[in-house]
Amino acid sequence: DVKVTQSSRYLVKRTGEKVFLECVQDMDHENMFWYRQDPGLGLRLIYFSYDVKMKEKGDIPEGYSVSREKKERFSLILESASTNQTSMYLCASSLSAGGLGSDTQYFGPGTRLTVL
Amino acid sequence: AQSVTQPDIHITVSEGASLELRCNYSYGATPYLFWYVQSPGQGLQLLLKYFSGDTLVQGIKGFEAEFKRSQSSFNLRKPSVHWSDAAEYFCAVGPNTGNQFYFGTGTSLTVIP
Repeated sequence: DVKVTQSSRYLVKRTGEKVFLECVQDMDHENMFWYRQDPGLGLRLIYFSYDVKMKEKGDIPEGYSVSREKKERFSLILESASTNQTSMYLCASSLSAGGLGSDTQYFGPGTRLTVL
Repeated sequence: AQSVTQPDIHITVSEGASLELRCNYSYGATPYLFWYVQSPGQGLQLLLKYFSGDTLVQGIKGFEAEFKRSQSSFNLRKPSVHWSDAAEYFCAVGPNTGNQFYFGTGTSLTVIP
C-alpha cells in the first residue's frame, strides 16, 4: 500500500515564524502535491512537483514555497506565517510524470496548522 | 476553466437508507472523475474513479457512481448506508491533459441510527 506521511498532525505557530511542513511518500511516486483544506472551500492546490527540484504553482501559491530535494520528500514552507494561513494542509502523491489527470492521488493524514 | 460543483453541503440519512451524493463538472472533454472520502481527522481515501468505458463504476465500501455525459454529472450512490459511512465526500476532476486536479467543496454526511 502507498503510504504518505506528514511530519506533524497538529502544529501551533506564531505570526511571523517560518514554518516547515514535511511530507514523505514510500512508493517512488513522481508527483507530489500540497493542498490546503478550508471549510466550504474544499481542497485548493498550493504547489505541486513532478520531479526532483521541479515545481509548479497551483491556485494559491502566495505566501508559500516548496522544496523537493529528494524524490520521496516534498516540503511546504511558510516563510512568514500569518493568521490567514491557519488551515488543514494535505500532502498527496501520484505515480507518473505524464497524464497527471488520470493518476490516483494518495493523501497523507493532514497537518492542522494554527497560527496565533 | 474546469470546475466541480457539489450542490449539497450537508446530508443526513438514516442508517440503512439509500444515499446519493451529487457532483457536476464543467469540462470540455470527457474528464477523469474521482470520488474521495475523508473520515474525521484523516486524509482522503479514494472510493472510485472513472476514466472511460462502462459508465457505472463500482468502488470500495459498497459505493458506486454513474457518469452521465449529457448531464455532466458523476453522482455517488450507496443502497444501504452504515453508521461508519459518516464522513466528508469529495468529487474531483482530473483533465485529459495538464497537471491539475479540481476538487469540489465537499458534502458532509451524517448518519442517524
